[in-house]
Amino acid sequence: NAGVMQNPRHLVRRRGQEARLRCSPMKGHSHVYWYRQLPEEGLKFMVYLQKENIIDESGMPKERFSAEFPKEGPSILRIQQVVRGDSAAYFCASLSDRGGNIQYFGAGTRLSVL
Amino acid sequence: QQQVKQSPQSLIVQKGGISIINCAYENTAFDYFPWYQQFPGKGPALLIAIRPDVSEKKEGRFTISFNKSAKQFSLHIMDSQPGDSATYFCAASIRTSGSRLTFGEGTQLTVNP
Repeated sequence: NAGVMQNPRHLVRRRGQEARLRCSPMKGHSHVYWYRQLPEEGLKFMVYLQKENIIDESGMPKERFSAEFPKEGPSILRIQQVVRGDSAAYFCASLSDRGGNIQYFGAGTRLSVL
Repeated sequence: QQQVKQSPQSLIVQKGGISIINCAYENTAFDYFPWYQQFPGKGPALLIAIRPDVSEKKEGRFTISFNKSAKQFSLHIMDSQPGDSATYFCAASIRTSGSRLTFGEGTQLTVNP
């Protein structure tokens, strides 16, 4: 059973471009969480999705950020018109459909905005 | 009220010593308290977790102590090894409310040989 897969591992964008981050949860996991980690800081919750539904987006910035988790394919975190302050590591985690509390994290996508 | 405060920010311990990291929370609705370990360039990995109905949980060299009345919990690493050098995050969540994790700021642990 492969772990949580995130790609790309590193992403470089110029200001004003779009960034698309992908997350494939573990098999049997339909719950996906996105977190952002700024340099020298802890992880901050962004959004919680369950197949085709956004359950909690209270941590998402109001503008430029969106997330989806379609019926088929990975979850996508999309950042439009990136700014330097978006430079961070973005992690996704998945939770089993069988219940429990353990969130399994991917290796993250490190976004650098030039 | 959703914050989790973690200390110290960094910690240096000699091999074989005890590493202690502390966390405090405000929201009494939190009912699940995991600790995550993160190596550079990697994602966080669950180390050990506790629920508030117990005061201590031990797994190998790692122990969580939980004080519900003080709203504090701590991680103890016994016989610390250089391979334990990593960043440690405490976290808290409400299991019936989506399980989103609220993380502490992290502690960078260095274990010297």
